[in-house]
Amino acid sequence: GDSVTQMEGPVTLSEEAFLTINCTYTATGYPSLFWYVQYPGEGLQLLLKATKADDKGSNKGFEATYRKETTSFHLEKGSVQVSDSAVYFCALRDSGGYQKVTFGTGTKLQVIP
Amino acid sequence: AAGVIQSPRHLIKEKRETATLKCYPIPRHDTVYWYQQGPGQDPQFLISFYEKMQSDKGSIPDRFSAQQFSDYHSELNMSSLELGDSALYFCASSARRNAETQYFGPGTRLLVL
Repeated sequence: GDSVTQMEGPVTLSEEAFLTINCTYTATGYPSLFWYVQYPGEGLQLLLKATKADDKGSNKGFEATYRKETTSFHLEKGSVQVSDSAVYFCALRDSGGYQKVTFGTGTKLQVIP
Repeated sequence: AAGVIQSPRHLIKEKRETATLKCYPIPRHDTVYWYQQGPGQDPQFLISFYEKMQSDKGSIPDRFSAQQFSDYHSELNMSSLELGDSALYFCASSARRNAETQYFGPGTRLLVL
């Protein structure tokens, strides 16, 4: 079945540091890939997405590239801010007609001033 | 822009009681999904509806039931509540059954005492 594997957290970075959160996936079809962010006490917000190989999703300085050859969708940001502190979920939705979104276990990011 | 609305936002129940969670999708979205996120866990798919019919089923307990109404809002009914049902329940909606992006509501936090 479908699965998503994320690097374990928590990740602690200083403000303006470079961020990478690794994500790899297993899927039977040609999935769409997503990063969702969950701020403390809040719901899930779609951060960015990519629907086919080599697509790059980007939003708010974050970006991720859909790499079919390595089945990866790593999240990056060049300079993190304290306000980026949150839990980040990598997720996929398979193209095979199934509708559910499969999430990774989430990576908690803490940015310190 | 209008988002997914969930009510109530917080709910406290006793063991063996019942609870009803409501979800109002984004206007013109016809598909609704329910997810359960336990403490420190990733969201797990419960059930989905398309055009008022159940379209996919995940790890939803038999004690739970759900339906989608003619105005596309959905209700998740939970009976014989257990301590382990304490979680954040998300509703998501999409514009058509196979739309690659699901938009999540803020969630209902259920605490079972």
